[in-house]
Amino acid sequence: GAGVSQSPRYKVAKRGQDVALRCDPISGHVSLFWYQQALGQGPEFLTYFQNEAQLDKSGLPSDRFFAERPEGSVSTLKIQRTQQEDSAVYLCASSYRGGLVAFFGQGTRLTVV
Amino acid sequence: DAKTTQPPSMDCAEGRAANLPCNHSTISGNEYVYWYRQIHSQGPQYIIHGLKNNETNEMASLIITEDRKSSTLILPHATLRDTAVYYCIVRAGGGSNYKLTFGKGTLLTVNP
Repeated sequence: GAGVSQSPRYKVAKRGQDVALRCDPISGHVSLFWYQQALGQGPEFLTYFQNEAQLDKSGLPSDRFFAERPEGSVSTLKIQRTQQEDSAVYLCASSYRGGLVAFFGQGTRLTVV
Repeated sequence: DAKTTQPPSMDCAEGRAANLPCNHSTISGNEYVYWYRQIHSQGPQYIIHGLKNNETNEMASLIITEDRKSSTLILPHATLRDTAVYYCIVRAGGGSNYKLTFGKGTLLTVNP
């Protein structure tokens, strides 16, 4: 596709449920990022991949959050035992190299009830 | 990365130029100024970036002061579709500087 694709666009989860959010980056983009955006705030960095290697996961808020990119293309962000404070928009971005200009997907809005 | 300061909101009349200021007084020599915008319910969209020279592309112009402590993003003929939150971000170049640190940005409302 022409841009970064994320699915689902909306997800409602019951507290305690596990969720998986998918990101299809732009073809050929080496770098992939996940950001979390709370209501009324700017996006905050979660994690960074270069190809299949997760080089930085310093922004993941807890060990319930896990991201993978096993073949260096599609990435999945998994949240285990969701809590209400996990409710946010999760944004994926990709860039060709080094992240100097990142292209973002439309995001997945997660609501935990 | 250097911190940026932006007004929380601005208004602009449709068809007029929108001038969005950003203060980055602690910017260092190897840091670029980036602008992204986020239209409601969409992901951030890259607009433009620069180091010290003024830059222009099909979307906007970026004017950086000579001392580099502030900059202005100019949308020459604002339309209703330009209503969005605009983020000014300062970041060093180089592959190890991959994070974008977003603040709260400026909500630009373009009025008919």
